[in-house]
Amino acid sequence: EVQVVDSGGGLVQPGGSLRLSCAASGFTFTSYAMGWVRQAPGKGLEWVSSVKGDGRDTYYADSVKGRLTISRDNSKNMVYLQMNSLRVEDTAVYYCAKEIWGGVMDHWGQGTLVTVSS
Amino acid sequence: EIVLTQSPGTLSLSPGERATLSCRASQTVSGNYLAWYQQKPGQSPRLLIYYTSTRATGVPDRFSGSGSGTDFTLTISSLEPEDFAVYYCQRYGGPQAFGGGTKVEIK
Repeated sequence: EVQVVDSGGGLVQPGGSLRLSCAASGFTFTSYAMGWVRQAPGKGLEWVSSVKGDGRDTYYADSVKGRLTISRDNSKNMVYLQMNSLRVEDTAVYYCAKEIWGGVMDHWGQGTLVTVSS
Repeated sequence: EIVLTQSPGTLSLSPGERATLSCRASQTVSGNYLAWYQQKPGQSPRLLIYYTSTRATGVPDRFSGSGSGTDFTLTISSLEPEDFAVYYCQRYGGPQAFGGGTKVEIK
């Protein structure tokens, strides 16, 4: 059974940093890209970032480029989102998801809440 | 940058009725790389449809997708109580983007 479990959210001050983690199991991890999608309170979905199966190719939304960094550790079946220079507008539930077919998200984590506030 | 516009914002229908949700892209969606997701309150999104019209595993056949170019549609042929939710379209296969969502509520 495919499982995606995201964690690491919390309260952080503007300008601060946070690292989100995503543990995946139940599939051949290196064969699939993984991504992060966020949802601000009461708002819609926003794609944030994706990483290919071998970890070499990464992609970012313009809104987070230069501040958020996606990575993966294929030896541990883990994906990470390092979040630096956080802004109030980064406040959202962050979902990790397994990707198929160039970006279709077929399995999602439960989400982890990041709150940026002073 | 592609922008996806979903309409209507809210659809008020009764169980058993047909729901038609629209997703319009600001430019052609190459390869018809268009997906649909369902999200219920307090839950993670669930994949329904990809490649415009291919149902994901376990998705009932009352859900169907169609369209091409810039205009895409998700149709729910006969609404069940569990179908009342928010639906999002997504463009993939390049820079990803989600639409703003359509809420299907009970009338």
